[in-house]
Amino acid sequence: RKEVEQDPGPFNVPEGATVAFNCTYSNSASQSFFWYRQDCRKEPKLLMSVYSSGNEDGRFTAQLNRASQYISLLIRDSKLSDSATYLCVVNLNTGGFKTIFGAGTRLFVKA
Amino acid sequence: GAGVSQSPSNKVTEKGKDVELRCDPISGHTALYWYRQSLGQGLEFLIYFQGNSAPDKSGLPSDRFSAERTGGSVSTLTIQRTQQEDSAVYLCASSLGTGPDTQYFGPGTRLTVL
Repeated sequence: RKEVEQDPGPFNVPEGATVAFNCTYSNSASQSFFWYRQDCRKEPKLLMSVYSSGNEDGRFTAQLNRASQYISLLIRDSKLSDSATYLCVVNLNTGGFKTIFGAGTRLFVKA
Repeated sequence: GAGVSQSPSNKVTEKGKDVELRCDPISGHTALYWYRQSLGQGLEFLIYFQGNSAPDKSGLPSDRFSAERTGGSVSTLTIQRTQQEDSAVYLCASSLGTGPDTQYFGPGTRLTVL
């Protein structure tokens, strides 16, 4: 079992739709969590951190469920420019910090 | 300020040759990471530096791969006797290094082994 698992998609949604991605992690030593966005043939860029209480940044909402070991990303009112791959990222504290990236979920937003 | 830079941006080499990839992290970032990403795949962790030390080399795929970091800044990833399966984008990231903090990525080096 992978340490961080995501549905690879692709998710094909129309503009204006709401779409949600989940990510599960297996290591209970996981300490911090992030969502990154990666455009085609570009480097990953931080989208948002994920806090235990949940957090929102404009149209994007991230949530963490430690008991079930999953994090989620909700995108409201999808834009064409949201088309990208969304990477779930988990930092472990196992004596030293280790970062694990999920394989990503591809999103296509269509007009 | 300046972000993470990598050079070269593209490298085409023949099978069996050695290559060196360079990463310049953000100034003041003590942690530096190397990843590999094959076409359509996720990021594969290779190695992590804290200062000049590499506490985690677990991701290096074989002894043909090595990396060093000098002066707590620039890092070089060396691949000896390249193979076709080494073809990928090699991404470098840096972070403040004070804990599980945000990593900032460079644009990557696209390596093609013919």
